Amino acid sequence: NAGVTQTPKFRVLKTGQSMTLLCAQDMNHEYMYWYRQDPGMGLRLIHYSVGEGTTAKGEVPDGYNVSRLKKQNFLLGLESAAPSQTSVYFCASSPGTGGNTQYFGPGTRLTVL
Amino acid sequence: TQLLEQSPQFLSIQEGENLTVYCNSSSVFSSLQWYRQEPGEGPVLLVTVVTGGEVKKLKRLTFQFGDARKDSSLHITAAQPGDTGLYLCAGVSNYQLIWGAGTKLIIKP
Repeated sequence: NAGVTQTPKFRVLKTGQSMTLLCAQDMNHEYMYWYRQDPGMGLRLIHYSVGEGTTAKGEVPDGYNVSRLKKQNFLLGLESAAPSQTSVYFCASSPGTGGNTQYFGPGTRLTVL
Repeated sequence: TQLLEQSPQFLSIQEGENLTVYCNSSSVFSSLQWYRQEPGEGPVLLVTVVTGGEVKKLKRLTFQFGDARKDSSLHITAAQPGDTGLYLCAGVSNYQLIWGAGTKLIIKP
């Protein structure tokens, strides 16, 4: 099993450009999450999904959109990138909510110039 | 707003020394998780503590959940270079995880 995979691993964008980050999991988990990690700030939840076809806002959703058309995939979109979105983005999945273990992907390092 | 504060933010010690890092909050959590993150990778769960006062051991790592379920500590005995990483705690509240900012630990050979 590959677990949680993320593509791409690195990306550089110019301000105003758009892009989509892809997350895939092969563990048949219901819950999926997108986080951003910035120095000294820990992990901040952007959006999450409790099942195929559902999405919900997390702590810092502005400037991002998500879709969960298939259970195994969770896409994070940036419609008009801003330098403040420079960060490392992590996708995670879990079999349930709350105290369940979250399984993380290796991350995508995004730089917006 | 619920906050989890981790201390110290950064710790660099010699191989063989002991250390303790802390995770504190004014809020009560139903359980608390500890993750370790190595450079270039995502966090990986080390342990979940559920009961107030609970102590769990993972080889040289000892995790304790406070009696009031508001705080937790991680003690490492005889630290090794392989323990180097970012240690994150996350409290479970209302079916969501509240993350601390982490303690960056470096163990020098």
